[in-house]
Amino acid sequence: ETGVTQTPRHLVMGMTNKKSLKCEQHLGHNAMYWYKQSAKKPLELMFVYNFKEQTENNSVPSRFSPECPNSSHLFLHLHTLQPEDSALYLCASSPERGPSSGNTIYFGEGSWLTVV
Amino acid sequence: AQSVAQPEDQVNVAEGNPLTVKCTYSVSGNPYLFWYVQYPNRGLQFLLKYITGDNLVKGSYGFEAEFNKSQTSFHLKKPSALVSDSALYFCAVKTSYDKVIFGPGTSLSVIP
Repeated sequence: ETGVTQTPRHLVMGMTNKKSLKCEQHLGHNAMYWYKQSAKKPLELMFVYNFKEQTENNSVPSRFSPECPNSSHLFLHLHTLQPEDSALYLCASSPERGPSSGNTIYFGEGSWLTVV
Repeated sequence: AQSVAQPEDQVNVAEGNPLTVKCTYSVSGNPYLFWYVQYPNRGLQFLLKYITGDNLVKGSYGFEAEFNKSQTSFHLKKPSALVSDSALYFCAVKTSYDKVIFGPGTSLSVIP
């Protein structure tokens, strides 16, 4: 039990489908993150939310759309994805973001996405 | 450019022997340093971090790491490796610009 719960754990979707990944954190944190982990590539930060406001979007294609309705929940809406988007998508949270913050980032178990 | 390097893709060690997983970084200012472990089909689990103070940091599962400012290194160590320590290990650095940079990962195999 990591305190960060992701659903579904596995998702197979066609390129024309619309699906969503869900993340919920039970740690009382105020910052939430989406990361992408692909084989043979470094961990990629996609989006950051701090106190429900998006503070980072690292040039992520618009077919990925995040939503953060409150500090405990984070969604990643998926639409018209490509096979190269197949990866492990990791949600994470931390107490908050800030330059002087040494806060630890805690990860969920991840959602394995396969685009066919 | 700011970066984190884990010079070894793969580390093999016999069970019961000490293990070291290396991490070096290149960032400006005083960084915060982290180690995470990822078991197969799981997310990243936090092991330990260095913020300030004693250069030797102790963490979960008997792991420790030594911060060396002059060598800009933060190597992960364990005195006696277990087969269950076999996993992927990530070093991460948080810069003064509030960016967290992860290393590419090192796969550790502990051989019975």
